[in-house]
Amino acid sequence: TQLLEQSPQFLSIQEGENLTVYCNSSSVFSSLQWYRQEPGEGPVLLVTVVTGGEVKKLKRLTFQFGDARKDSSLHITAAQPGDTGLYLCAGARMNRDDKIIFGKGTRLHILP
Amino acid sequence: SAVISQKPSRDICQRGTSLTIQCQVDSQVTMMFWYRQQPGQSLTLIATANQGSEATYESGFVIDKFPISRPNLTFSTLTVSNMSPEDSSIYLCSVELGGPFFGPGTRLTVL
Repeated sequence: TQLLEQSPQFLSIQEGENLTVYCNSSSVFSSLQWYRQEPGEGPVLLVTVVTGGEVKKLKRLTFQFGDARKDSSLHITAAQPGDTGLYLCAGARMNRDDKIIFGKGTRLHILP
Repeated sequence: SAVISQKPSRDICQRGTSLTIQCQVDSQVTMMFWYRQQPGQSLTLIATANQGSEATYESGFVIDKFPISRPNLTFSTLTVSNMSPEDSSIYLCSVELGGPFFGPGTRLTVL
């Protein structure tokens, strides 16, 4: 059973389009992180969200934490080829010693 | 943020041999973490390494297979012992900085 479900698994879109990636769980998280990982590199932390309903923006990336802290989304506006990569969400589950669990990732490919 | 370096960045090894991966952090940290990322899979925590005590291993990982050292607050090593092709993965060390913060990883291929 995957505790953090990411969707879609793969996404290939044209440069300039918008997209949303989802991270869902039945568990409540005390915090949730989003990472981007490029081939041959370690995951790079993009954002941490901790408050239900929180929205954070990082240039063209908008991250939202669900009100119930069970899910999150990453929206990219006007995607660029440099956004290509594997996007991972990870969260610390409440009442589980805050152990971090990872989703399987969304592999995003932006076509020029 | 922190600067984390890992050595080697990649290696190709023969079955039955062992490889030691080094992780260096540019600041002192209490806990360091070792993760494995198998091809097409999510990251899985192997163990937590505390300075001055034995590492704490997650379910499915044992010290004999993945011995860890933590001689000081900026350095740790993970050894992958008696390797088999199933150990082919990216191995990542991380520290806690508002969420796991990762090094560049070590890509291991076992033939």
